[in-house]
Amino acid sequence: NAGVMQNPRHLVRRRGQEARLRCSPMKGHSHVYWYRQLPEEGLKFMVYLQKENIIDESGMPKERFSAEFPKEGPSILRIQQVVRGDSAAYFCASSPRAGGVVQPQHFGDGTRLSIL
Amino acid sequence: EDQVTQSPEALRLQEGESSSLNCSYTVSGLRGLFWYRQDPGKGPEFLFTLYSAGEEKEKERLKATLTKKESFLHITAPKPEDSATYLCAVQAKEWMDSNYQLIWGAGTKLIIKP
Repeated sequence: NAGVMQNPRHLVRRRGQEARLRCSPMKGHSHVYWYRQLPEEGLKFMVYLQKENIIDESGMPKERFSAEFPKEGPSILRIQQVVRGDSAAYFCASSPRAGGVVQPQHFGDGTRLSIL
Repeated sequence: EDQVTQSPEALRLQEGESSSLNCSYTVSGLRGLFWYRQDPGKGPEFLFTLYSAGEEKEKERLKATLTKKESFLHITAPKPEDSATYLCAVQAKEWMDSNYQLIWGAGTKLIIKP
């Protein structure tokens, strides 16, 4: 399967714990995006990364949230000291280098985070 | 302010009953409009990209069209398996090299009854 892979699919954490969400982009894609989706709501942009670089993190809360996309391995979205309000579906998307034409983003099936 | 509005919020149709979903947008200088399908518990699945007014794209029972202010997703003779939430997105601020942040509509939940 050459699609965007996210794991885990479901993650349960207690308040105050850390959550780590992983995303492997599609083969050949160098751009990774993280989104958050609440039930019955649209996608909210969080952060855009390229290898070893955060390009835009304007949608990500300044505290407790961080993201990385290392030279080797998957992209990681990390949430420290989780609170009930962090419960949501987190989606990762990837796209190839645009090269002058706007390219669509391709999504994984998300990680559903539940905070007890 | 850049904005994407989808209507209706929900649409119930009988199998075979054709209809259209609407995506209206306000953005300066449209560079791309995207349609996605999202099934419950899944990520959005890419359907179409439209780049300029007058453009049309088709895939099976779906046809997407674009004007300067809105896009329509026409569904012809739908089947129950077409039931899903359909999302529309347009580019907002440019990051670099024709790569843009996307603004997403809230989606239209389509239910096709057999």
